[in-house]
Amino acid sequence: QKEVEQNSGPLSVPEGAIASLNCTYSDRGSQSFFWYRQYSGKSPELIMSIYSNGDKEDGRFTAQLNKASQYVSLLIRDSQPSDSATYLCAVNPGGSYIPTFGRGTSLIVHP
Amino acid sequence: DAGITQSPRHKVTETGTPVTLRCHQTENHRYMYWYRQDPGHGLRLIHYSYGVKDTDKGEVSDGYSVSRSKTEDFLLTLESATSSQTSVYFCASSSLPGGSYGYTFGSGTRLTVV
Repeated sequence: QKEVEQNSGPLSVPEGAIASLNCTYSDRGSQSFFWYRQYSGKSPELIMSIYSNGDKEDGRFTAQLNKASQYVSLLIRDSQPSDSATYLCAVNPGGSYIPTFGRGTSLIVHP
Repeated sequence: DAGITQSPRHKVTETGTPVTLRCHQTENHRYMYWYRQDPGHGLRLIHYSYGVKDTDKGEVSDGYSVSRSKTEDFLLTLESATSSQTSVYFCASSSLPGGSYGYTFGSGTRLTVV
């Protein structure tokens, strides 16, 4: 069973702070990693993808991948109330092109 | 300019009745997927398609069937709805297998089986 684990939260951060969301996965052969944002009552929206070790930055978002430790994280700098949502981690296990989703972490950014 | 639409958006049905959910995409994506999302379980794959008339089962396929007669349409059928199938259903599509560069999701269908 390929597993993707996330802390369900909620993670509460003040406006302007850095929000750090973490995800661990069980399959060492995993190659592709994604972060989706899902607002309440809406569908998931892809915000970041990462395929190699290290950091990948896109605006206020940074995805970090460490394959040796089998974790991927998402940092949101200068958090805004509009960032309040559930963040889903998705991982493509090795040998499969179908991603496994984590259960998501709820983020609350308070003014 | 939604590239992927689902219908209906909401549906209430009775136990034992057949239900069909529709997913329509205008992206010309080869791959399409049906997921259900439930509290405590996250997104779980029901069925997927890798081309017209080519489909396969996901991890929670029991009680569901699918059909894809055209690239743009992917139908999910609950042959005899049960209360355990009350859920939010999302369709997704991708140009590459398994969303190798991520999925595009539809807006979802909230299904209630009473």
